[in-house]
Amino acid sequence: AQKVTQAQTEISVVEKEDVTLDCVYETRDTTYYLFWYKQPPSGELVFLIRRNSFDEQNEISGRYSWNFQKSTSSFNFTITASQVVDSAVYFCALSIIYNNNDMRFGAGTRLTVKP
Amino acid sequence: EAGVTQFPSHSVIEKGQTVTLRCDPISGHDNLYWYRRVMGKEIKFLLHFVKESKQDESGMPNNRFLAERTGGTYSTLKVQPAELEDSGVYFCASSQTGLGQYFGPGTRLTVT
Repeated sequence: AQKVTQAQTEISVVEKEDVTLDCVYETRDTTYYLFWYKQPPSGELVFLIRRNSFDEQNEISGRYSWNFQKSTSSFNFTITASQVVDSAVYFCALSIIYNNNDMRFGAGTRLTVKP
Repeated sequence: EAGVTQFPSHSVIEKGQTVTLRCDPISGHDNLYWYRRVMGKEIKFLLHFVKESKQDESGMPNNRFLAERTGGTYSTLKVQPAELEDSGVYFCASSQTGLGQYFGPGTRLTVT
């Protein structure tokens, strides 16, 4: 069975601070995808990144970076120099590559960036 | 290219009433999924269509929920009769086979 845990329910930071959102996953499969989605106040789910289990290279996209470590089953997301517009709920998710049907989501982390 | 659209964006109904949610996937996407997020908990899978066929409906909570995708285009999710615990946000997603899922904006359902 697949499971995704986002232990941080809510995080509040002041603008320009760096913040890391944790994601720990469980799966018996060796091939899988990991995702991060952003849900701004408007409600839609915005795709941020997809990483397959064979690629442990960390990725950086602007102020966003992701740290994938299979040894600890973690896929953490860091926002550098946070901005008010980063305020949202962030979801981590897992799906099995051969069956990319059933995405298992974490409970989400609500990030509030204060000016 | 238009993304996944959902209608309505928000629905408020009384317990015992019926509500039908609609999802229009991205054109050409054979796969259509329904998810829901209830009471601030994690987003949970409900079911998956491949074209007009139900590929996996293991996440459907009970027989008060009925999903259809006639013609393999848009899909509807009917809740009849609605209960208080059905309140939440219902997301639809679509994908081409083997590729990532694109989510719609969700429908917020409030059952009073």
